[in-house]
Amino acid sequence: KQEVTQIPAALSVPEGENLVLNCSFTDSAIYNLQWFRQDPGKGLTSLLLIQSSQREQTSGRLNASLDKSSGRSTLYIAASQPGDSATYLCALNAGGTSYGKLTFGQGTILTVHP
Amino acid sequence: SQTIHQWPATLVQPVGSPLSLECTVEGTSNPNLYWYRQAAGRGLQLLFYSIGIDQISSEVPQNLSASRPQDRQFILSSKKLLLSDSGFYLCAWSVSSGSEAFFGQGTRLTVV
Repeated sequence: KQEVTQIPAALSVPEGENLVLNCSFTDSAIYNLQWFRQDPGKGLTSLLLIQSSQREQTSGRLNASLDKSSGRSTLYIAASQPGDSATYLCALNAGGTSYGKLTFGQGTILTVHP
Repeated sequence: SQTIHQWPATLVQPVGSPLSLECTVEGTSNPNLYWYRQAAGRGLQLLFYSIGIDQISSEVPQNLSASRPQDRQFILSSKKLLLSDSGFYLCAWSVSSGSEAFFGQGTRLTVV
């Protein structure tokens, strides 16, 4: 059974700092990995999708990497802003007969203070 | 462009009452549809998924059921709510099993 762990559980940084969020998983047989952002009381916003054949994906100040062999993904946020404050979730899709079901980590609560 | 609508946004229901949460996707056809629940301290848990009309699978035995009366409509129901049904319910869709997933804004259900 796939298990997904996100470290740290919470992170507080000053504005402008570069930061890294970590996601580790136990089963490397994944189809893709997706990073989401969740604001308090809101739904999930998709940030980046990395296919299993890819090493990284970039969108603006966000960069996500994937190392299947070691069971790790990182989300790098450059020049953090207070508006980046949210919970960040990684989710794995095993593909095939999993029919797109996602297995989520517990999330990292990020606070960026001015 | 595709959009997903989920309602109501919040709901307070007494124990033993029925439940109906609705989710609709626009701008695509034959999407995969999903219901997740997010309970405090437990992360996101998949409840049901559907890869087509009349194709609904349950992940966790529980007090809930799901239906897909139309291609882009997914409904989560219960005949009698329990206190343990409280949580944040999220609907999601994807074009196919290997594509990016998109989520609705969620429904906060409190059973009292």
